[in-house]
Amino acid sequence: AQRVTQPEKLLSVFKGAPVELKCNYSYSGSPELFWYVQYSRQRLQLLLRHISRESIKGFTADLNKGETSFHLKKPFAQEEDSAMYYCALSVRSNYQLIWGAGTKLIIKP
Amino acid sequence: KAGVTQTPRYLIKTRGQQVTLSCSPISGHRSVSWYQQTPGQGLQFLFEYFSETQRNKGNFPGRFSGRQFSNSRSEMNVSTLELGDSALYLCASSLAQASYGYTFGSGTRLTVV
Repeated sequence: AQRVTQPEKLLSVFKGAPVELKCNYSYSGSPELFWYVQYSRQRLQLLLRHISRESIKGFTADLNKGETSFHLKKPFAQEEDSAMYYCALSVRSNYQLIWGAGTKLIIKP
Repeated sequence: KAGVTQTPRYLIKTRGQQVTLSCSPISGHRSVSWYQQTPGQGLQFLFEYFSETQRNKGNFPGRFSGRQFSNSRSEMNVSTLELGDSALYLCASSLAQASYGYTFGSGTRLTVV
């Protein structure tokens, strides 16, 4: 079965510290993975997708097929990074995303 | 360019009533998906439409239905509302499907009393 797991409901780090938001997936096919972010009082928006191999707002994520993970990382957290982060798996054949439960990231000053 | 527009933003309905929610996608986006978001269940897939055809439906009862028009605008309908239908309903549009990346609307907050 397809599943996305974000083990941390809440992650709190100090400004300037490194951040790693964990995401593990279960999928027998070739995965397409995404990170979406929702800032306070804003819409859910696409942060990055593994196929693009890009860095957005200093965040990167590497797909590790061996560990079935797609962790989101940033070397130096900023207060404006505080938000809800969702990892999602695209199931092409079903035209849908499978979502993780989300991790609330709080950056302390 | 205009984003994804959902109307209305808020709705309060009584059990047993029905409701229709509307979504206008980004111009040029032909895929529209609907998700239900609740604190307990998170984001749950409702259905996806492309060029007026429903390509997939999530595990929701038949009371939940939708459609897409020739201009890609979409509506979803919930009949015989139950208290458990209270949720934020999100619409997302994409060029062709989820793997292209979604653009989300602000959602419609439905409260059933």
